[in-house]
Formats: sequence, C-alpha cells, structure tokens
Amino acid sequence: GAGVSQSPRYKVTKRGQDVALRCDPISGHVSLYWYRQALGQGPEFLTYFNYEAQQDKSGLPNDRFSAERPEGSISTLTIQRTEQRDSAMYRCASSLVGGRETQYFGPGTRLLVL
Amino acid sequence: GQQLNQSPQSMFIQEGEDVSMNCTSSSIFNTWLWYKQDPGEGPVLLIALYKAGELTSNGRLTAQFGITRKDSFLNISASIPSDVGIYFCAGHASNTGKLIFGQGTTLQVKP
Repeated sequence: GAGVSQSPRYKVTKRGQDVALRCDPISGHVSLYWYRQALGQGPEFLTYFNYEAQQDKSGLPNDRFSAERPEGSISTLTIQRTEQRDSAMYRCASSLVGGRETQYFGPGTRLLVL
Repeated sequence: GQQLNQSPQSMFIQEGEDVSMNCTSSSIFNTWLWYKQDPGEGPVLLIALYKAGELTSNGRLTAQFGITRKDSFLNISASIPSDVGIYFCAGHASNTGKLIFGQGTTLQVKP
C-alpha cells in the first residue's frame, strides 16, 4: 500500500479482555516498530522487528504485551488481560532498513479499556 | 530510561511570527529528528540531522544538531495557519532503530 496502515482504528474493550492490534507496513520495508503514545505525550518505544526477527522488546511494559511478525510483513501487537492503564494510542512505523533510516508512521489504533 | 526534554510545551502566536522550540537530553544522541503530528494522523518527519553542529533547512524550517550532541532546536519562520500541530523532537541514542521522543510542543497560529 501507499503508507503504513493499522487496524482497527478504534478499539473499546472491557478490562480483562485480550486485544490484537494489526500493522501493515509499507511494502518492502524491512523494519517495523511499535510505539505507544499517551495523551499529551510523545510516542514511547515498545519493540521492533527486522524481517520476522524481534530485535528489541525492551519497551514492552510487562509480559501481558507481546508482538509478532511471522512472515516479515504484517505484525500483530497483543495485549492480554487488558487493564485501564493500557488505554492509549498504539502506533506502528516502518522503515526501508533499520538503523537511522526514516520511520514512516501509521495513523494509530486508539485503545480504550473500560 | 532515556528522555528528551522539549520546550516550550505550547505556543500561541500570531501569523507571520517566527517560532523557536528546543530539545535537550542528559545523554548523547547520534541523530536528531523533528516530526510534526496533525490531528488524527501519525508523526511525519520534517528534518533529520546526523552530525554534531549540522544546520539543515527545509523551506521555512531550520534545525540544528547541537555541538554537544545533547540538544537540538527547530525554528519556523513566518508562521502560517497550516503550521498548527504538535511538533516532536526525537533521536537515536544508538545505531538501532529505537527512537526516543520528546513530550511535544503544541503550536497554535492565530490568523
């Protein structure tokens, strides 16, 4: 596609439910990143992949958060047993290669946990 | 973890005025980037800086990579209404793709 796409754009869930957020990067981009953005704050790094390999997951808040990119293209960020504090905008970005290449951001998924 | 301190937090200016915002870090960064975020959209890269001391322009925007590698500034000259948005500084502290972002500067321009 022309840009990074994410789905759903909005997700409302009840506390304790699992959610899966999807990111479809720009075609051919090797690197894919997940960030979380709280209201009034800048994006905060969660994890990133080169191809299908997860390179750094140091930003994942706890073991309820996981991410995968099994075929080196689409990625899924999963949050198990959601809590109200998980409510935020979840953003995905991709870049042609890793390192200091320009990251292109998607529109984000707004998650609200009730 | 590493943090970037961005200031000011918000600005409300008159159309035609110049704007300046800056970002500082307690540790060294290898790159400095400036992004703009419009409502409902993801951040879009405006300027990227890769060397200490580098001064780069993009139209009415000028940004510099501080000599100490711990700071950067962004200037916008002759502001126009479409400059409205949230501006973020960001940087790479290592050679990986992990970006650290500032808290953002919200810019409002009065026509």
